Amino acid sequence: DAKTTQPTSMDCAEGRAANLPCNHSTISGNEYVYWYRQIHSQGPQYIIHGLKNNETNEMASLIITEDRKSSTLILPHATLRDTAVYYCIVRVVGASGGSYIPTFGRGTSLIVHP
Amino acid sequence: ETGVTQSPTHLIKTRGQQVTLRCSSQSGHNTVSWYQQALGQGPQFIFQYYREEENGRGNFPPRFSGLQFPNYSSELNVNALELDDSALYLCASSAQTGNYGYTFGSGTRLTVV
Repeated sequence: DAKTTQPTSMDCAEGRAANLPCNHSTISGNEYVYWYRQIHSQGPQYIIHGLKNNETNEMASLIITEDRKSSTLILPHATLRDTAVYYCIVRVVGASGGSYIPTFGRGTSLIVHP
Repeated sequence: ETGVTQSPTHLIKTRGQQVTLRCSSQSGHNTVSWYQQALGQGPQFIFQYYREEENGRGNFPPRFSGLQFPNYSSELNVNALELDDSALYLCASSAQTGNYGYTFGSGTRLTVV
């Protein structure tokens, strides 16, 4: 079972910020939050990850609450090409050897409209 | 830097047959995972290989098996195909000691008739 819960679908106007929430209330102290997105018929694409601090890269920002039980992925200026299914997963990363296998839920289907 | 490549892109097989799917991992990655994605669902983890050994397995029967080669490429083999095996099969590679996530291939679309 997925360790995260996300809304099934959301929509956003082109040019506006898209804020995608994720609940991971059972997250452990050594689990990172990862976000991926999957555009129709392609493999999932890595977006961003974080442990407890907010993170930003060229694609998105990740806001993690202080208790780490939820997070929000922010696409600051959504475009039509951001229409995709967005997955939030938690994953332990080991310094060596095995790493915890990420479990995907159904994700959030984001539709960006003109 | 090359990404993850999978072959073939599409495949049609008959129930009861066997199939082999192939994956070349991204340069510098030593871990390969395989996922099955049915229509409308998220990817479901099948198994993972690290340094040619299986080091994690999801809830899939033994007729799903795999290999990882010294160059870190990998194969997924499925025996006695069933209609429900029809899905998109995704391969993902990662650098075990890093935390930059998985790089996925575009998948192989398998149809069992």
